[in-house]
Amino acid sequence: EDKVVQSPLSLVVHEGDTVTLNCSYEVTNFRSLLWYKQEKKAPTFLFMLTSSGIEKKSGRLSSILDKKELFSILNITATQTGDSAVYLCAVAPYNNAGNMLTFGGGTRLMVKP
Amino acid sequence: GAGVSQSPRYKVAKRGQDVALRCDPISGHVSLFWYQQALGQGPEFLTYFQNEAQLDKSGLPSDRFFAERPEGSVSTLKIQRTQQEDSAVYLCASSLGSLWDFGPGTRLTVT
Repeated sequence: EDKVVQSPLSLVVHEGDTVTLNCSYEVTNFRSLLWYKQEKKAPTFLFMLTSSGIEKKSGRLSSILDKKELFSILNITATQTGDSAVYLCAVAPYNNAGNMLTFGGGTRLMVKP
Repeated sequence: GAGVSQSPRYKVAKRGQDVALRCDPISGHVSLFWYQQALGQGPEFLTYFQNEAQLDKSGLPSDRFFAERPEGSVSTLKIQRTQQEDSAVYLCASSLGSLWDFGPGTRLTVT
């Protein structure tokens, strides 16, 4: 059974801090790992990672995948209150029956002014 | 263009009532997924359609849950005889290829 574990469960920081969110996984026939940001609505896509060691970057957010150790991290630098959200990690396998995502439990980030 | 839409956005049901939740995927998206997200948890897979075919329903928690997509576009998730443990946000996602688009979810509260 595919499994995704995120840590920490929750995090409170102040504006300007840097945070690192962790995601470890066990999946048969790994295809990709995805990060989403979820506020009080639909999860919004951040990154999709398929190859080890290649950092993906978007503004203050960056992410990297380690396929040997089966984990990914999401970094947010110079945090802002608008970064407050639940960050979800999900993995997608190669699967003849479909590309179902398996999600972790999420990390709830609160950024205080 | 329009994203995935879901209706209603909020639903309050008394225990024992039947509910029907609707998902309108992005036009042309072959794959459609339903997820259940309990408070403070990540989304849990319920069921998957490829066009009108329901290829995986292994995540449906009981036979009170039923999903359909008769014409390969709009999908309905039906929950019969709702129980308090059914209270959650129900997310729909559609996919064409390797990216998924999520709807805003339906928040179901069973009282």
